[in-house]
Amino acid sequence: SQTIHQWPATLVQPVGSPLSLECTVEGTSNPNLYWYRQAAGRGLQLLFYSVGIGQISSEVPQNLSASRPQDRQFILSSKKLLLSDSGFYLCAWFKQGARTEAFFGQGTRLTVV
Amino acid sequence: GENVEQHPSTLSVQEGDSAVIKCTYSDSASNYFPWYKQELGKGPQLIIDIRSNVGEKKDQRIAVTLNKTAKHFSLHITETQPEDSAVYFCAASKGDTGRRALTFGSGTRLQVQP
Repeated sequence: SQTIHQWPATLVQPVGSPLSLECTVEGTSNPNLYWYRQAAGRGLQLLFYSVGIGQISSEVPQNLSASRPQDRQFILSSKKLLLSDSGFYLCAWFKQGARTEAFFGQGTRLTVV
Repeated sequence: GENVEQHPSTLSVQEGDSAVIKCTYSDSASNYFPWYKQELGKGPQLIIDIRSNVGEKKDQRIAVTLNKTAKHFSLHITETQPEDSAVYFCAASKGDTGRRALTFGSGTRLQVQP
């Protein structure tokens, strides 16, 4: 079966420090992968998506970047965190088809202090 | 592109009452409408879905209805229980890939009061 792993679950980082959040998928090949941010436990803001290795599409210009070094690995990064980067970050894998289903990771609660 | 609007943003009901969450979509080509439930500190999970060739679908205490003409779809939860408290997201899809694979609503925070 397919599973998606995301870590860490919580992270407290000082302003100006770098960030690296990792997401991996098991049980499928060439997955479509997504990074979302969720503020105050509400709406899902799409940040990046990737349909293949090295292919990254950015939805919102910001202080973050994404990379896909391997087929089933998706990384969210920042060189210097801002206070406004705090939030709940979710990685997702979309199982494409007649019924497109999103499988989300457990999420990372990032607090920038 | 597709635009999905969801109402209300927050909903508080007494245990045992029913809850209804409504969504509208803009793209008449959308043909698949899932609902996701997000419990505190977790990622959203699919709870029920409906395709455009069906008007209503039930699964125990939850049901989804679809009005293609009006481009509305709704989630109905009957006999609510405290464990139904969560954030609910509707979504719409027409089978695209990339950013248009699924368009989510803005979410509804449901609080079931014991």
